[in-house]
Amino acid sequence: DAGITQSPRHKVTETGTPVTLRCHQTENHRYMYWYRQDPGHGLRLIHYSYGVKDTDKGEVSDGYSVSRSKTEDFLLTLESATSSQTSVYFCATIGTPGRGNTIYFGEGSWLTVV
Amino acid sequence: GQSLEQPSEVTAVEGAIVQINCTYQTSGFYGLSWYQQHDGGAPTFLSYNALDGLEETGRFSSFLSRSDSYGYLLLQELQMKDSASYFCAVNSGGYQKVTFGTGTKLQVIP
Repeated sequence: DAGITQSPRHKVTETGTPVTLRCHQTENHRYMYWYRQDPGHGLRLIHYSYGVKDTDKGEVSDGYSVSRSKTEDFLLTLESATSSQTSVYFCATIGTPGRGNTIYFGEGSWLTVV
Repeated sequence: GQSLEQPSEVTAVEGAIVQINCTYQTSGFYGLSWYQQHDGGAPTFLSYNALDGLEETGRFSSFLSRSDSYGYLLLQELQMKDSASYFCAVNSGGYQKVTFGTGTKLQVIP
């Protein structure tokens, strides 16, 4: 257990509204990730971070932005939510690369855009 | 970019052995890992291969061939609780970009 908490865990929002999901970790892990999971698509990388204020895009970054102002927090923002962004969102971290490269996942955030 | 391919579904009998294959294309390859996910839950780490060869952890083993861009997860002595989705993932690039495959749903039958 890497002490990763996501908030909110469940949210229903309306199309066009901004939404921010928060990932908080207590392990001082350098690398953090946001994935979305949809049936038939597995886990798709949205954005990731390799340090404070250091972020990069993943394969499905359009419509999403991220920020990492502190090691422990990684925020995912949907600037203007669309129905296609209805999904389960997972935050993840890597502890020590090279030592098994274990990725630790949060419990997930279920987002519904209506 | 990165791409991974794995079978979408596999069915196996309790007590048997099953192999889930994964082929990948990536630049700056660091390693291949495997994760298990039960319905409604978060993925959990199973194994990681950075070098060619077999890694064994209990009933689970994972294999990597870097020259073939190929790996597999081997599950032995299958149990009903092994019914889950299994994902391979590659670490690539200097900043630990991690890309997942689309997952293999394993159904274990009595």
